Amino acid sequence: GAGVSQTPSNKVTEKGKYVELRCDPISGHTALYWYRQSLGQGPEFLIYFQGTGAADDSGLPNDRFFAVRPEGSVSTLKIQRTERGDSAVYLCASSFGANQPQHFGDGTRLSIL
Amino acid sequence: AQRVTQPEKLLSVFKGAPVELKCNYSYSGSPELFWYVQYSRQRLQLLLRHISRESIKGFTADLNKGETSFHLKKPFAQEEDSAMYYCALTSGGSNYKLTFGKGTLLTVNP
Repeated sequence: GAGVSQTPSNKVTEKGKYVELRCDPISGHTALYWYRQSLGQGPEFLIYFQGTGAADDSGLPNDRFFAVRPEGSVSTLKIQRTERGDSAVYLCASSFGANQPQHFGDGTRLSIL
Repeated sequence: AQRVTQPEKLLSVFKGAPVELKCNYSYSGSPELFWYVQYSRQRLQLLLRHISRESIKGFTADLNKGETSFHLKKPFAQEEDSAMYYCALTSGGSNYKLTFGKGTLLTVNP
């Protein structure tokens, strides 16, 4: 069907709260990626999944950020104790394999008040 | 560390004029280079990748390893080309991790 789906499209919450962002990749895509895009910047890599496992989480900024993909399809990015600096657009992408073109979702715009 | 530089934040041309969006990169190995485009109210999408050597929507880009550049060119710009353009690379060993430039907003005036 459609491409990569991300929910919610917008999320506004208060500093200190916990948030979960969801990504539903294109069917059959084994690779899944999360990026973060701050205002005026290009997307920055956060984490890469191959199947169910996080093959590279080197882009996660600190231990408040965590992501899972328990069944190798849908992924959830979790942010604890949110800070104002976490405000950004969080993009998800998927591909057939690690060296295949990445297809992006519309992103979730996260605003921390 | 790898880096992608797009020196122009904004670029404005008239319809029918040639356009070139500049991209320079720094990486010690053999990177793969991409151009992504984001039209108004649409998602980020791949425009072209250097290994494909394709021409998409009239755009071409040549990888110049000597100058470490991957400039995007089109001989005759159209109004529908107005969009945000991002240059990106992946490295040989970690070829899944895209490193993006900050982007260039292209406006094609009628």
